[in-house]
Amino acid sequence: AQTVTQSQPEMSVQEAETVTLSCTYDTSENNYYLFWYKQPPSRQMILVIRQEAYKQQNATENRFSVNFQKAAKSFSLKISDSQLGDTAMYFCAFILTGNQFYFGTGTSLTVIP
Amino acid sequence: KAGVTQTPRYLIKTRGQQVTLSCSPISGHRSVSWYQQTPGQGLQFLFEYFSETQRNKGNFPGRFSGRQFSNSRSEMNVSTLELGDSALYLCASSPVVEVLSYEQYFGPGTRLTVT
Repeated sequence: AQTVTQSQPEMSVQEAETVTLSCTYDTSENNYYLFWYKQPPSRQMILVIRQEAYKQQNATENRFSVNFQKAAKSFSLKISDSQLGDTAMYFCAFILTGNQFYFGTGTSLTVIP
Repeated sequence: KAGVTQTPRYLIKTRGQQVTLSCSPISGHRSVSWYQQTPGQGLQFLFEYFSETQRNKGNFPGRFSGRQFSNSRSEMNVSTLELGDSALYLCASSPVVEVLSYEQYFGPGTRLTVT
């Protein structure tokens, strides 16, 4: 069975600081993509960052970067220089061939001014 | 391009009734997926349609069904509503064809409340 675990239901960070959100997943497949999605309060979910499982290099998108450890099935998200607009629910997800996503239960991040 | 749209945005129904939710994907996207979002459960995958065919199905009872039309618009139907069906229902479209280009674009969701 495919599962995604986000063990931190809530987190907070001071503005301009760095925070890391954890995610572990379980699959016996070898080809998949990993994602972090962001859902701001009362707004649509948007993609933050994507990682191909076959790539060893960690993905980076501006202030967002991941630490992908394939053997450990770990995929954490690091947000640098946190901004108030980063306050949102963050979902870790992966997809196997066939376009079925598996999502975690989310981490609610609050950036404190 | 216009984003993914979902109608209605809010819905209140009574136990035992049925409901139909609609999703219009981004123009050119042929894959549409549906998710149920509840606090503490995250997003649960309902089903995915591609070219009018259900390609994947999650672990939901048969009361949940869907379809996709030739213009890629999709509908989701829930019959015999239960209180536990209260949730935010999200639709996502994707331009995926064959290879792994699986970025999904989400709509704003339909908030369903069952009383």
